[in-house]
Amino acid sequence: SAVISQKPSRDICQRGTSLTIQCQVDSQVTMMFWYRQQPGQSLTLIATANQGSEATYESGFVIDKFPISRPNLTFSTLTVSNMSPEDSSIYLCSVPPTSGDYNEQFFGPGTRLTVL
Amino acid sequence: QKEVEQDPGPLSVPEGAIVSLNCTYSNSAFQYFMWYRQYSRKGPELLMYTYSSGNKEDGRFTAQVDKSSKYISLFIRDSQPSDSATYLCAMGQADSWGKLQFGAGTQVVVTP
Repeated sequence: SAVISQKPSRDICQRGTSLTIQCQVDSQVTMMFWYRQQPGQSLTLIATANQGSEATYESGFVIDKFPISRPNLTFSTLTVSNMSPEDSSIYLCSVPPTSGDYNEQFFGPGTRLTVL
Repeated sequence: QKEVEQDPGPLSVPEGAIVSLNCTYSNSAFQYFMWYRQYSRKGPELLMYTYSSGNKEDGRFTAQVDKSSKYISLFIRDSQPSDSATYLCAMGQADSWGKLQFGAGTQVVVTP
């Protein structure tokens, strides 16, 4: 299994500011996924990040609001831009195993974001 | 209507009891079914993964899939206080490349 770390683990931010969340994996992976977990809600996929190409965003999520970088096979960042209280959520990154079964994902510990 | 429905609970059971969890889904294209466990302030951890109708057993855990009824279940035998967590069902399609649909999660509390 992959070991995934995220920074920061939590943050409290002011409305209108931006926060960049980092995701580091201990092995090289082609795909990384970014999810949002709003209070009392299910995990919702924000985007899929492939190294060397633009991220693919799901319906309801746009690059201007959630820009993603994927500079190498072990690292990715998600930025939450121009934040509002509705962005208060847990943000998680996940990766599939090196065996390549993309449904069998390993999750990071999450970043708990509160927007005031 | 959500594609995946899951009762949020909480579900409280005494230690040693059987925990029964379930999800229903509406998209017949789902072919892969997973159960994740999430402890407070932690990321989800994969418990069970199956892609066929029927039962799959792993220790105290049994996953059941009924594709005809669009219904999946997770049973935890001999429940322990350490099983207290939120359990999330997740589903994927054959060509989804890891794009999973999650249920809202059921909070389980096992009391000593």
